[in-house]
Amino acid sequence: ELKVEQNPLFLSMQEGKNYTIYCNYSTTSDRLYWYRQDPGKSLESLFVLLSNGAVKQEGRLMASLDTKARLSTLHITAAVHDLSATYFCAVDPRETDKLIFGTGTRLQVFP
Amino acid sequence: NAGVTQTPKFQVLKTGQSMTLQCAQDMNHEYMSWYRQDPGMGLRLIHYSVGAGITDQGEVPNGYNVSRSTTEDFPLRLLSAAPSQTSVYFCASSHAGGPVEQFFGPGTRLTVL
Repeated sequence: ELKVEQNPLFLSMQEGKNYTIYCNYSTTSDRLYWYRQDPGKSLESLFVLLSNGAVKQEGRLMASLDTKARLSTLHITAAVHDLSATYFCAVDPRETDKLIFGTGTRLQVFP
Repeated sequence: NAGVTQTPKFQVLKTGQSMTLQCAQDMNHEYMSWYRQDPGMGLRLIHYSVGAGITDQGEVPNGYNVSRSTTEDFPLRLLSAAPSQTSVYFCASSHAGGPVEQFFGPGTRLTVL
């Protein structure tokens, strides 16, 4: 059974600090997605990673993919309060657009 | 473009009642899907469709039916609601053949008493 695990599940961090969220998955996949969800809201696409070594950056967020290690990371640089949200990774191992989601990492940034 | 729309936003049902959750998109996307989101479990795929007239099951299809008569619409039917179906339901769409991001609707919060 395919598993997608994120850690930590909850992250409370101070503004200005750096941190990394990890996404491990249990089967081969060259497609990995990161989404953001604000409380009570829908999911917003952040990154689409499609090959080993792929790295994408948007503002204070940077995502990378290591398909050999079956690991993706979402790095937060100099966190600000606006980044408070839940972050999900998702994989598409059979390349059929059927996403398997991780359990999410709830990020809280405080002053 | 309105993107992906869902109705209703909230719904309360009694056990055994039936209802249909509506989903529509105006982006001419071939691929549409339904997910449910439960606390601490991420999103799980219920059913999906790669085009009008074509549907298939996802991870957790039991208790749900779907149909796709047009490209734009992808309704989800609960035939006999159960408390275990209390959840937030999201519809998503994208162009088929990927890999592309999927666009999610605003969600329907369903409570079954």
